[in-house]
Amino acid sequence: DGGITQSPKYLFRKEGQNVTLSCEQNLNHDAMYWYRQDPGQGLRLIYYSQIVNDFQKGDIAEGYSVSREKKESFPLTVTSAQKNPTAFYLCASSQLAGVGANVLTFGAGSRLTVL
Amino acid sequence: GQQVMQIPQYQHVQEGEDFTTYCNSSTTLSNIQWYKQRPGGHPVFLIQLVKSGEVKKQKRLTFQFGEAKKNSSLHITATQTTDVGTYFCAGPGGGKLIFGQGTELSVKP
Repeated sequence: DGGITQSPKYLFRKEGQNVTLSCEQNLNHDAMYWYRQDPGQGLRLIYYSQIVNDFQKGDIAEGYSVSREKKESFPLTVTSAQKNPTAFYLCASSQLAGVGANVLTFGAGSRLTVL
Repeated sequence: GQQVMQIPQYQHVQEGEDFTTYCNSSTTLSNIQWYKQRPGGHPVFLIQLVKSGEVKKQKRLTFQFGEAKKNSSLHITATQTTDVGTYFCAGPGGGKLIFGQGTELSVKP
């Protein structure tokens, strides 16, 4: 079945440590996105990529980094510079053209807790 | 910048009552999408509206897109406990999708 796989599902990190969240899709989607969700809040865009080897900052990119070396993969690194990293992180993907263009398919999410 | 506002933030209803959430954009939208996120889950796409004044139904859910293409609503008739979750609207802007803050629906049996 096609879909998006995020790992790990739960992650605990000590302050000052970097952590990388994995996101892989087999939907052949062009675009991939990272969102952050805090309790009782909406989805805030961190980074997005519409093509391999290119990505753009979203609304809250500070303290995060990404790479898009392959179409299927869009890992997110939460760096020690992110002041409040405890949150639920959602990866998504979409086609950019054709039927279903710009409709997002989400992964199951990764819940990061900083101790 | 472009904003998508959604109200109310929370709605508590008795099972069988109706529920409506409203979405307003600061700019005209080419389309609007609705997603549902169950507690502990991830957002799942429900529907996309494209035409001015468009109305679409999915069983007990009715989606409307305003004539000016700046607002939208989702109405659920006779809520059930399976309707529990957070409903998000989202509109395109600047090559990305901008989400409203969501409306969290709780249903008391």
